Amino acid sequence: SAVISQKPSRDICQRGTSLTIQCQVDSQVTMMFWYRQQPGQSLTLIATANQGSEATYESGFVIDKFPISRPNLTFSTLTVSNMSPEDSSIYLCSATPTGKELYGYTFGSGTRLTVV
Amino acid sequence: AQSVTQPDIHITVSEGASLELRCNYSYGATPYLFWYVQSPGQGLQLLLKYFSGDTLVQGIKGFEAEFKRSQSSFNLRKPSVHWSDAAEYFCAVGARAAGNKLTFGGGTRVLVKP
Repeated sequence: SAVISQKPSRDICQRGTSLTIQCQVDSQVTMMFWYRQQPGQSLTLIATANQGSEATYESGFVIDKFPISRPNLTFSTLTVSNMSPEDSSIYLCSATPTGKELYGYTFGSGTRLTVV
Repeated sequence: AQSVTQPDIHITVSEGASLELRCNYSYGATPYLFWYVQSPGQGLQLLLKYFSGDTLVQGIKGFEAEFKRSQSSFNLRKPSVHWSDAAEYFCAVGARAAGNKLTFGGGTRVLVKP
């Protein structure tokens, strides 16, 4: 299975600023996914990022707030823009090797974001 | 749309006792089903998965799960719990028809008593 390096692992940010989270995969993956886990909650899918195309956002999430880049098959970033305390969450990326979708997605270790 | 329900928010079990976590899904076709575990401050680790075939699947750390189509369930079991099993457990469903996206249940927090 793929191994994902996610950084930063945690950050404390001022409201109104932006934070970019990076995920690096050790193998080529077609699809990468970004999730948000609010305190004490389950995971909610933010968007799906395919290389070479615009990310597809789930209902309730917009590109202006959560811009995503996917420059190649092993890397993606998620930016949380114009942050407010309500954005305080754990953000996780996920992927599975190309051709092995649904054989078990690997997750990054998460970014714990606190907005003050 | 696919959905997953984990009816139990918290479960407390004594060390050495058996554990069963419930998961019910809703999806038109046969989905792909997963169980993940999240230890405090950690990411998600895949315990086991079901695609097709044998409805009883074995996973890591001594866990197993049984797919029951008639009940739309995929319950996770462990015969004897260890203190290190204290964690949050998530059931998830995916399907190619849904763009391979995973939908997660609300999670069940397991506490292990000495």
